[in-house]
Amino acid sequence: AQSVTQPDIHITVSEGASLELRCNYSYGATPYLFWYVQSPGQGLQLLLKYFSGDTLVQGIKGFEAEFKRSQSSFNLRKPSVHWSDAAEYFCAVGAGYSTLTFGKGTMLLVSP
Amino acid sequence: GAVVSQHPSRVICKSGTSVKIECRSLDFQATTMFWYRQFPKQSLMLMATSNEGSKATYEQGVEKDKFLINHASLTLSTLTVTSAHPEDSSFYICSAHSTSGSDNEQFFGPGTRLTVL
Repeated sequence: AQSVTQPDIHITVSEGASLELRCNYSYGATPYLFWYVQSPGQGLQLLLKYFSGDTLVQGIKGFEAEFKRSQSSFNLRKPSVHWSDAAEYFCAVGAGYSTLTFGKGTMLLVSP
Repeated sequence: GAVVSQHPSRVICKSGTSVKIECRSLDFQATTMFWYRQFPKQSLMLMATSNEGSKATYEQGVEKDKFLINHASLTLSTLTVTSAHPEDSSFYICSAHSTSGSDNEQFFGPGTRLTVL
């Protein structure tokens, strides 16, 4: 069975500082990996995805993520956080875009 | 990207009543729509997958007679929570899968907050 672990429930980062959100997955085959962001009262927005190829993927809003097969990880990074990045972030794994399994999410708080 | 709407955004109902939630793909056709449930501090849990014109496929542990799903058109799926009880209170999110052109992804609605008194 596939599963996703996001070990950090909350993370607080100062505005302008770098960010890394952790994601570990368990999947029987080559995974399709996703990062979504959810703002209060909003639906989930896709930040980036990895299917194959270059293991460092670029997404929207300046985010990137690196797929490391040996560590079963797909961590999300951003070099400089903006106050508008405060939201909840979900990592997901699936076989394509269907049958996604989500992690429990990491709430990002941005301090001035 | 494509837009998915949900209606209502928030609903409060009495125990024992039924509630219908609509999910619409506004600018694309979705042969497949998904319904998720999200508890506070929890991840999204897939409840069911609905394909236009056919019966929904429910995940293990989800009561199909309690959570009725209808996907009558390529732009509309509905979830009806029948005989709602307080434990059904949750945040329900739908998504629509577009396979047209470059939009091969799931697009999520804004969610519906259901509170059962």
